[in-house]
Amino acid sequence: DIQMTQSPSSLSASVGDRVTITCRASQNIRNFLNWYQQKPGKAPHLLIYGASTLQSGVPSRFTGSGSGTEFILTISSLQPEDFATYYCQQSYGVTFGGGTKVEI
Amino acid sequence: QGQLVQSGPEMKKPGASVKVSCKASDFTFINTVINWVRQSPGQGLEWMGWITGYNGNTNYADNVHDRVTMTTDTSTATAYMELRSLRSDDTAVYFCVTAYYYDNTAHSHYFDRWGQGTLVTVSS
Repeated sequence: DIQMTQSPSSLSASVGDRVTITCRASQNIRNFLNWYQQKPGKAPHLLIYGASTLQSGVPSRFTGSGSGTEFILTISSLQPEDFATYYCQQSYGVTFGGGTKVEI
Repeated sequence: QGQLVQSGPEMKKPGASVKVSCKASDFTFINTVINWVRQSPGQGLEWMGWITGYNGNTNYADNVHDRVTMTTDTSTATAYMELRSLRSDDTAVYFCVTAYYYDNTAHSHYFDRWGQGTLVTVSS
């Protein structure tokens, strides 16, 4: 199975900060990588698919990059509603990263 | 857009089985692939497997393949996930979710419509 390793597992940030989250795959997954945001008590919500394509309706401050084994989710200017947990997910098979909790 | 509505919370004893339902509305069920994902309390997301709405083909994750059965009833547009021989570490919220294929390859998909989740608690 393909393992997905996210880092950091948590981070503290302030409104307006630039935030980056890294996701590494244990083998080449080309660009089959999606990013989700999850808030407490809710189902995950898609942000980015195909490593870099912004889902319709998602703010442009979210960007995804990378291919092969290393991927990055960037939030250019953190907003109050962005405090949540973020997961990467590879769709070459199907596994999720361990998550990154973004806290104030 | 459509939605998925799941059955209510369950409390089970170790060794028992649980069957969670997931009813689709306002989209074409037979054209979908329904996945099941679970999340233990305070933990991350774990994919369990998928089933096709069209013909019921399944693919299960290695860690549950011997205890899980996924089925569909196309007449009611409902998917089911049964997990047997429950253990305390099966305590989790179980989500059904559809996969959307954005390109013409098996790997080009993401999870789009999610059910609200069903809490399954396993305790003696």
